[in-house]
Amino acid sequence: KAGVTQTPRYLIKTRGQQVTLSCSPISGHRSVSWYQQTPGQGLQFLFEYFSETQRNKGNFPGRFSGRQFSNSRSEMNVSTLELGDSALYLCASSSMGTVSTDTQYFGPGTRLTVL
Amino acid sequence: GQQVMQIPQYQHVQEGEDFTTYCNSSTTLSNIQWYKQRPGGHPVFLIQLVKSGEVKKQKRLTFQFGEAKKNSSLHITATQTTDVGTYFCAVPLENSGGSNYKLTFGKGTLLTMNP
Repeated sequence: KAGVTQTPRYLIKTRGQQVTLSCSPISGHRSVSWYQQTPGQGLQFLFEYFSETQRNKGNFPGRFSGRQFSNSRSEMNVSTLELGDSALYLCASSSMGTVSTDTQYFGPGTRLTVL
Repeated sequence: GQQVMQIPQYQHVQEGEDFTTYCNSSTTLSNIQWYKQRPGGHPVFLIQLVKSGEVKKQKRLTFQFGEAKKNSSLHITATQTTDVGTYFCAVPLENSGGSNYKLTFGKGTLLTMNP
């Protein structure tokens, strides 16, 4: 089976712009979670989608949003970018749809740099 | 509030030495997962512990879950260069509002080694 894929792998944006990141989960996985990873804060949970519905959301401002399509592919969007949004954005998929107990299969991440 | 602490933050060893990282929670956990992230890579699932006092081994890696299910450890015997990376514990903690659980990662322990 192919692993989790994320596009693009690298992005450079300027403050105030918006960005959309894409994630394709492992075939058959219906749960997709997004994480932000920074050196200072570590891995922080953004949100989780299951069957096109957002089931869980972390403590991030409303500028961070996401969605999931019927084929389980997911996108996340960050509007009005700030310098502090520079991070590695990781997508993870799981098969059973129970985030608290499922193995999370991570993609390679999108490295976002905000100038 | 609920949180998970992981120590140490960094550990530098000589090849062949042992390594241990600890994860501590303020609340009783239903389970704990461990992940490894190689430099420049993404987190990869290692193991999940569920039972009180559980001990699991994977070759040179030994994972333990405390009797009270509030702490866990990962011990590597006779480290090798392939062990270099960051080791994270991940636990299900209640999300804001208490209606959902999110997988919360510790800050990780970075294991480095002399070449």
